[in-house]
Amino acid sequence: DTEVTQTPKHLVMGMTNKKSLKCEQHMGHRAMYWYKQKAKKPPELMFVYSYEKLSINESVPSRFSPECPNSSLLNLHLHALQPEDSALYLCASSQDAVAGNTIYFGEGSWLTVV
Amino acid sequence: GDSVTQMEGPVTLSEEAFLTINCTYTATGYPSLFWYVQYPGEGLQLLLKATKADDKGSNKGFEATYRKETTSFHLEKGSVQVSDSAVYFCALTTPNSGYSTLTFGKGTMLLVSP
Repeated sequence: DTEVTQTPKHLVMGMTNKKSLKCEQHMGHRAMYWYKQKAKKPPELMFVYSYEKLSINESVPSRFSPECPNSSLLNLHLHALQPEDSALYLCASSQDAVAGNTIYFGEGSWLTVV
Repeated sequence: GDSVTQMEGPVTLSEEAFLTINCTYTATGYPSLFWYVQYPGEGLQLLLKATKADDKGSNKGFEATYRKETTSFHLEKGSVQVSDSAVYFCALTTPNSGYSTLTFGKGTMLLVSP
């Protein structure tokens, strides 16, 4: 069972809406990640937070805005999205962001933009 | 750069058949290797991992051995079940990447029929 919890599991939003995806982990991990996964594709990295600071932004459009309020929580704020942003959004965590650590994923949030 | 190559799917098997899913990699340095599984409609679950050459990862009847000489990490299971139907991703991280980010293969879908 995953110890990375994501809410909501499903979200439908219009292109003018503002919504947020939430992620929580209780493993004491200090690195957290957002990935985006399109159908029949592997996940693609969006953001990496290490010790609550943004470490990697993989050239993600500004309509996606991450936030890490503390070491256990990670949010992804969504605004003015496009239909092509519809995907599965996966949160993940690892002990820290040192290369080689195991990354654990949540169940994901299915986002549909209409 | 680093890359992971997986066999194309779908792989279609009858229950109790033997499973092999091939995975080879190209990486600078010494990678850690992972297999993740994604059941329909769910997030990614870590299936097994190996962090150095000749290590064998195992879980739920699945096994994979880190072969440095052939740069491979093939997934095997002696007797598959219908419940093993899922998409399997081979992945790696390397110390050279700076941060613990995953390089994924394209994924292999496994379909097991009764």
